[in-house]
Amino acid sequence: LAKTTQPISMDSYEGQEVNITCSHNNIATNDYITWYQQFPSQGPRFIIQGYKTKVTNEVASLFIPADRKSSTLSLPRVSLSDTAVYYCLVISLGFQKLVFGTGTRLLVSP
Amino acid sequence: DTAVSQTPKYLVTQMGNDKSIKCEQNLGHDTMYWYKQDSKKFLKIMFSYNNKELIINETVPNRFSPKSPDKAHLNLHINSLELGDSAVYFCASSPRRDQETQYFGPGTRLLVL
Repeated sequence: LAKTTQPISMDSYEGQEVNITCSHNNIATNDYITWYQQFPSQGPRFIIQGYKTKVTNEVASLFIPADRKSSTLSLPRVSLSDTAVYYCLVISLGFQKLVFGTGTRLLVSP
Repeated sequence: DTAVSQTPKYLVTQMGNDKSIKCEQNLGHDTMYWYKQDSKKFLKIMFSYNNKELIINETVPNRFSPKSPDKAHLNLHINSLELGDSAVYFCASSPRRDQETQYFGPGTRLLVL
C-alpha cells in the first residue's frame, strides 16, 4: 500500500477555494487515488476518486499530474459546513482494505 | 431510510464485561467492514465480510469476534472488555469486495471504565 502524506491542518475563509495536496511517491500502476471526508462524530464519507488527469463531481475536483506521485483535492467556494477532516487514500483496484492516514483538518471561518 | 446503521450509538461499560455492537445495511451490498478509530483519530480496519464469508481479519485480539447472520448484517462481539478498547467503532459496506467506495455508519462510541 502506498503511503500518503498530507498537511495536518489548513485554515480558510468562507467563499475561498481550498486545495489540499497529498503526496504518494510510491504509488503503483494499478492504484487509484480516493478522498474521504469526515465530520465530527460521523463516519467517513466518499468524496471523489481518480486515476489520472482531472476528475470533477458536484462537490470537488481532483487533479492528478502525469507522474501520479501527488494529487490535489480542490473544494470550490468553501462554506462553514466544509469544516472536516479530509483523508487521501491510495488503493489498488480490487483491494478492499482502506488504510486511512492522519488526514488534513480543514477549518473554515466566517 | 438510513443506509448503514449501528446500534447502540453510545456504549459505556465496565472492564471485563462482554458487549455487542450491531450493524445493518439496507443498500444491498455484498461486503461489510468493521473499523476502529482511536483517540488520535487513526482509522484502522478490523474485519471484512463478503456474503457472510470472512475475507479480512487484521491483527486484533481474539476477544473481538465478528458475526454475519446474513449479508445485510455484521455484528461485532467483544469479550472481556479492556480500557484500551475504548474507541469509536465504524461499520461500513461496499457493493462488492472489489469496490473501493465504502459507505460508513455513524459510529458507536465505546467507553470502558
